[in-house]
Amino acid sequence: GEDVEQSLFLSVREGDSSVINCTYTDSSSTYLYWYKQEPGAGLQLLTYIFSNMDMKQDQRLTVLLNKKDKHLSLRIADTQTGDSAIYFCAERGGTGNQFYFGTGTSLTVIP
Amino acid sequence: ETGVTQTPRHLVMGMTNKKSLKCEQHLGHNAMYWYKQSAKKPLELMFVYNFKEQTENNSVPSRFSPECPNSSHLFLHLHTLQPEDSALYLCASSQETDWTYNEQFFGPGTRLTVL
Repeated sequence: GEDVEQSLFLSVREGDSSVINCTYTDSSSTYLYWYKQEPGAGLQLLTYIFSNMDMKQDQRLTVLLNKKDKHLSLRIADTQTGDSAIYFCAERGGTGNQFYFGTGTSLTVIP
Repeated sequence: ETGVTQTPRHLVMGMTNKKSLKCEQHLGHNAMYWYKQSAKKPLELMFVYNFKEQTENNSVPSRFSPECPNSSHLFLHLHTLQPEDSALYLCASSQETDWTYNEQFFGPGTRLTVL
């Protein structure tokens, strides 16, 4: 299958910006996603980007897509303690109904 | 009840047991999914059902057997599991599996421990 890679951990101070990075291998990806998982809960879609876009902004969230390098990032501005969670990068493959997820990045926000 | 529910939330079983995980979605979706979440590993798609028909089976061992009697219910039947099958099993649903952004809605998962 395709690979989606993320670092496992990230710590930031409250009020700073967080940047979570992701790389993927499927050049035929149609959509790329960021999901958030809070403790004891399932994943919840935060935002997504279509593969022909290079940036999408939604309030405190900014998604950047570099299709040439197959690199996706999620920037959270003014990070709050409530943003502490696991963030999953995912891509929808170019064939079939395949979704490929990364390992998740555990974000810890330090007060 | 709304959203995607899963039962049980926790399950401990021996390698010779047979058990089933249940997922129910109250969102009117027509696609349902089983995922396996293990620590430090990518979230792994196991099965996909669309309108009760299985459309994806990602080389999952036969000791995992899915069943989708209707678009609202999805089961995962377990038998003769191995300790390495211990993980969080997540169910998800979506409106369709066509070429849209296709947001998936996840349940809280079943934490499975195989002794």
